[in-house]
Amino acid sequence: GENVEQHPSTLSVQEGDSAVIKCTYSDSASNYFPWYKQELGKRPQLIIDIRSNVGEKKDQRIAVTLNKTAKHFSLHITETQPEDSAVYFCAPYNYGGATNKLIFGTGTLLAVQP
Amino acid sequence: DAGVTQSPTHLIKTRGQQVTLRCSPKSGHDTVSWYQQALGQGPQFIFQYYEEEERQRGNFPDRFSGHQFPNYSSELNVNALLLGDSALYLCASSLGVYVTGELFFGEGSRLTVL
Repeated sequence: GENVEQHPSTLSVQEGDSAVIKCTYSDSASNYFPWYKQELGKRPQLIIDIRSNVGEKKDQRIAVTLNKTAKHFSLHITETQPEDSAVYFCAPYNYGGATNKLIFGTGTLLAVQP
Repeated sequence: DAGVTQSPTHLIKTRGQQVTLRCSPKSGHDTVSWYQQALGQGPQFIFQYYEEEERQRGNFPDRFSGHQFPNYSSELNVNALLLGDSALYLCASSLGVYVTGELFFGEGSRLTVL
């Protein structure tokens, strides 16, 4: 969607705790919902994605949940580790739509304290 | 299998100058998107090239232009540089004009305008 917001903008947790980042979008036609992780000085990399016909997807310690009615999706990280410290971006997208742009959210800085 | 490669990695220019950044997509990919990432912000979509044509464009002035070659590599040109153009320029490649999976990013070209 064209208007993409993430909350919180910064998040500090203790190692082992869980972290949740929420992404709110405006384009109701969005049908693909990825999360990217960008470590300091490195390139963004996809960590998990979900499509609109699925409500939840899990990959080890990482999960994404989708609420299409409310137009938001969330990244969940359990048992956080120091190497999870990074900036996380959501990028809701409508593939097959006329506006074919992958728009990134504002980012969430996650700091995991050892 | 080579990933996305960008050159140069760093460069310094002065206001009013012109710059050309280069990108080679991941092997097997035919679509290149360019993003501008200012310090502390998320990647901002500049434009996307597919089949040697600009397919989508973000909210960037005409000073930003690009090109895609028959081998799918791409260039980003910025004319009349402004101080505000200082940023990390990321190239991302994918297969097909629609992003149905991961965007693979290069390490970026960091441009400093003095």
